[in-house]
Amino acid sequence: DQQVKQNSPSLSVQEGRISILNCDYTNSMFDYFLWYKKYPAEGPTFLISISSIKDKNEDGRFTVFLNKSAKHLSLHIVPSQPGDSAVYFCAASEGAGSYQLTFGKGTKLSVIP
Amino acid sequence: DVKVTQSSRYLVKRTGEKVFLECVQDMDHENMFWYRQDPGLGLRLIYFSYDVKMKEKGDIPEGYSVSREKKERFSLILESASTNQTSMYLCASSLPGLASFETQYFGPGTRLLVL
Repeated sequence: DQQVKQNSPSLSVQEGRISILNCDYTNSMFDYFLWYKKYPAEGPTFLISISSIKDKNEDGRFTVFLNKSAKHLSLHIVPSQPGDSAVYFCAASEGAGSYQLTFGKGTKLSVIP
Repeated sequence: DVKVTQSSRYLVKRTGEKVFLECVQDMDHENMFWYRQDPGLGLRLIYFSYDVKMKEKGDIPEGYSVSREKKERFSLILESASTNQTSMYLCASSLPGLASFETQYFGPGTRLLVL
């Protein structure tokens, strides 16, 4: 059973608009969440993270929102740029006591110029 | 500049062959990981190592083994390759300590085809 779910396999957005990528989780023990970005033929790279003690974390054009009661997080990219076109993976861990990340299936974002 | 390298970008093997995938990092990281990425399944952890000669099973260790004889090198071994092990294999490393995920750097991946 998938503990981290990204239900949208793909998303297309116009350049300059907001991209919203969603992620749901089922494991109540998860308390640290990350987003990774992956270009073709490259490994994933860390983008942004959020701890369960926060509900928002912002880094430039990227903001992650966490709704613990709904077990839902989202990544907002504003404004979207063509270089943001990539696969985005949501990942979660049980925090300080874990070496292990659980990844979602990924969402392919296409930003149209 | 941090670097994780994987020995091959593409590999074609026959069913039953023993396959070695090599990963080397030059960041003096204690932690190293092997994942596989499959369409519709995301990244799944196969094995990880938090120190030389130490290893822990991930979510899907069946059919795989690992070797970490030196800090910078982490090898994934398919003892007898099967077609369901056709996949993209990603190696990663990170700083020591638990929950050091923000420092997890990935290699470019090895695309393995088992015929």
